[in-house]
Amino acid sequence: DAGITQSPRHKVTETGTPVTLRCHQTENHRYMYWYRQDPGHGLRLIHYSYGVKDTDKGEVSDGYSVSRSKTEDFLLTLESATSSQTSVYFCAISSTIPGTGTAKNIQYFGAGTRLSVL
Amino acid sequence: SQQGEEDPQALSIQEGENATMNCSYKTSINNLQWYRQNSGRGLVHLILIRSNEREKHSGRLRVTLDTSKKSSSLLITASRAADTASYFCATDVGSEKLVFGKGTKLTVNP
Repeated sequence: DAGITQSPRHKVTETGTPVTLRCHQTENHRYMYWYRQDPGHGLRLIHYSYGVKDTDKGEVSDGYSVSRSKTEDFLLTLESATSSQTSVYFCAISSTIPGTGTAKNIQYFGAGTRLSVL
Repeated sequence: SQQGEEDPQALSIQEGENATMNCSYKTSINNLQWYRQNSGRGLVHLILIRSNEREKHSGRLRVTLDTSKKSSSLLITASRAADTASYFCATDVGSEKLVFGKGTKLTVNP
């Protein structure tokens, strides 16, 4: 899984509780992404990061926040989990074209976190 | 909103047959990529075709791109049971992000 570790791999939580998912990479990639995957919707981008403390929203960012205080870690937080956030969450990284800082945009994915909100 | 839409949603074939999946998209792209996802795993990049290319091969994979029709196809020749997976197209529109389709679920029966 390209040096990407997601934790936890499985989590069950209750509605209204905060949840933080962690994505850790070992290869110093600039770009990191959080997706959710749901039946009938495919893969949808939640947030992404283009550097330490540099993040931006994706297609389905409501109810989620992210932080990236160091290159290797990208955290996804559900401030108050809802049942609609039950999903499989994937982290991905993208390397950059040498000398440009531009994303190559071939993405490498972690193994995913299966989150159930009851 | 979904940029790429795969067709069919599901495909079941016998081992040895060819599998063809299609992807349509809406806006101009820099490149289009195909990914595979085995059950319970993350997506794995298969192949990338640039907007100025019409066809690309990689082993048993053949990808075509028609920018005038905003469509791409992925052909897997001589399918094997191990090819059973979901396949996603993803479009790169130059915004440091990819937009994924909903996927085609391929089942290859032994």
